[in-house]
Amino acid sequence: DSGVTQTPKHLITATGQRVTLRCSPRSGDLSVYWYQQSLDQGLQFLIQYYNGEERAKGNILERFSAQQFPDLHSELNLSSLELGDSALYFCASRKGGLNTGELFFGEGSRLTVL
Amino acid sequence: SQQGEEDPQALSIQEGENATMNCSYKTSINNLQWYRQNSGRGLVHLILIRSNEREKHSGRLRVTLDTSKKSSSLLITASRAADTASYFCATEGFSNDYKLSFGAGTTVTVRA
Repeated sequence: DSGVTQTPKHLITATGQRVTLRCSPRSGDLSVYWYQQSLDQGLQFLIQYYNGEERAKGNILERFSAQQFPDLHSELNLSSLELGDSALYFCASRKGGLNTGELFFGEGSRLTVL
Repeated sequence: SQQGEEDPQALSIQEGENATMNCSYKTSINNLQWYRQNSGRGLVHLILIRSNEREKHSGRLRVTLDTSKKSSSLLITASRAADTASYFCATEGFSNDYKLSFGAGTTVTVRA
């Protein structure tokens, strides 16, 4: 158990819909990272937050947004969903920001868009 | 952006054999990390090697880093069926322009 909790574990929805994925980092971890893993594109970095502030952005679509709340949990919002958004979405956390060691990953949220 | 690229894409070995996989990257790094992922599960950190280190060991794992060639290798000795997983390298640079970026991974199958 990494200590990172992601909900929901599985989610099935239709094209055009909006979903919110939630991540609770390990106790004391200030950094949260979001990744998307699909079969054809490997593990893609989406966005990173540190203590409530956005620190780095990857190839995150405009239809996707995220935030980190004062209690340090984070949410990833996916809207106007398309079939291609079907993927495993991982959250990871660590204590510090840049170059502060290993990431601890949650078990992921598997999104299926029909 | 920093991105490790693993090679080979897939590897199949017999139990007891060694497995070696490589990671190449493009620009200067602060550290390189290896992770394992069992099918459909979250990634688990294996080992971190800093740019001023050349070799690191952890149990049956041995990681090398050659910054002149911008490459790293992960060796798993005396493999077991439980080592069947995908292995990813991730690199981190010196600024937040370099996100902790992962490659596509090497899928290792250990046959009993």
